Amino acid sequence: GAGVSQSPSNKVTEKGKDVELRCDPISGHTALYWYRQSLGQGLEFLIYFQGNSAPDKSGLPSDRFSAERTGGSVSTLTIQRTQQEDSAVYLCASSSTGGQGTEAFFGQGTRLTVV
Amino acid sequence: QQQVKQSPQSLIVQKGGISIINCAYENTAFDYFPWYQQFPGKGPALLIAIRPDVSEKKEGRFTISFNKSAKQFSLHIMDSQPGDSATYFCAAASDSWGKLQFGAGTQVVVTP
Repeated sequence: GAGVSQSPSNKVTEKGKDVELRCDPISGHTALYWYRQSLGQGLEFLIYFQGNSAPDKSGLPSDRFSAERTGGSVSTLTIQRTQQEDSAVYLCASSSTGGQGTEAFFGQGTRLTVV
Repeated sequence: QQQVKQSPQSLIVQKGGISIINCAYENTAFDYFPWYQQFPGKGPALLIAIRPDVSEKKEGRFTISFNKSAKQFSLHIMDSQPGDSATYFCAAASDSWGKLQFGAGTQVVVTP
């Protein structure tokens, strides 16, 4: 497809389990973001990948959270030992390299529920 | 700390009225200021954006006003419609790095 694709769209997991969330960015986009959005809240920045540069991990809330971006394309956000407070919608966005192309295109998100 | 501060948190406006959302920033390296619109259950989508070489940009009923000296920018929604009910996020970025910094969001409700 032409847009940012995230999978799964919904995920219910038990407390303490690990989860992996996947993001397929728009082809050719070098920048990729992960955000977290709790119900009715704003966008909480998690991590930013730009090309081959070291990612900006300043938003990751704890060492249970990690993200990879393989081959400059697909990204996986991993949450280990999930907690109930991790329940939220996880949004991925991609954009072309800076300059005029800074528009970020968002996926539909993965709704994570930890029970 | 939040690099882009947005207000108000929520806004109720009657159909046909004007919705105004304000944002302020500190980092003078920012040179790209977009607004995103988010409907429930959807990801945010770009609505309109401005660069600091202009003071105003208009697209249909949506206008961005930009005050470089005050480091403030605002979104005006003219003739607000119920279909405009959504959450609006301002953001800022610099070309050198490109990472978007988002405001906290404003929930706009347009009553019939």
